[in-house]
Amino acid sequence: AQSVAQPEDQVNVAEGNPLTVKCTYSVSGNPYLFWYVQYPNRGLQFLLKYITGDNLVKGSYGFEAEFNKSQTSFHLKKPSALVSDSALYFCAVRAAYGNNRLAFGKGNQVVVIP
Amino acid sequence: DAMVIQNPRYQVTQFGKPVTLSCSQTLNHNVMYWYQQKSSQAPKLLFHYYDKDFNNEADTPDNFQSRRPNTSFCFLDIRSPGLGDAAMYLCATSRVVGAAGGHLSYNEQFFGPGTRLTVL
Repeated sequence: AQSVAQPEDQVNVAEGNPLTVKCTYSVSGNPYLFWYVQYPNRGLQFLLKYITGDNLVKGSYGFEAEFNKSQTSFHLKKPSALVSDSALYFCAVRAAYGNNRLAFGKGNQVVVIP
Repeated sequence: DAMVIQNPRYQVTQFGKPVTLSCSQTLNHNVMYWYQQKSSQAPKLLFHYYDKDFNNEADTPDNFQSRRPNTSFCFLDIRSPGLGDAAMYLCATSRVVGAAGGHLSYNEQFFGPGTRLTVL
């Protein structure tokens, strides 16, 4: 079964500094990888995905993520964090075919300090 | 805009009183999911429909049921809510994008805004 690890509970970063949220995964076969963001009392909002192709994936709101097969990682990055980026971030993985279940990480609370 | 809509956004019910949560979508996706999310935790999949085929997760309590009368609508019924069922309930949709070697491939899931359920 697929699984995701998001090792940090909370990520604190100063506004304007680079933001990184870490994610490692485990899945049988090729992975489909996703990042979602959740603001308080809202649903999950899709940020970006890796299916195939370039390892660097660009998504919404200036976010990007790099797929690293050898390290089974898919870290989320943003070059310059905004206060409005403060939210809960979830990494998710599923197998490319067959089982369509998404395995979510526990989530990382990102706090951008003005 | 195409979207996933959940009603109501906030629902208060009494212990043991049946409650129904609603989800509709204008994306014309053939897969619809229900998740339960407790405070600051990852969403937990309860069940999903692929077209009219219902797929229950093994650890979903019998207290939770679902109906999908047509492509656009899906309902979550909680027959006898307990205090432990207080949570955010998220509806999501996705589209099957193809088949290879007999397998189905699913696109990303799009989530609704959620319904916050309070049980008194």
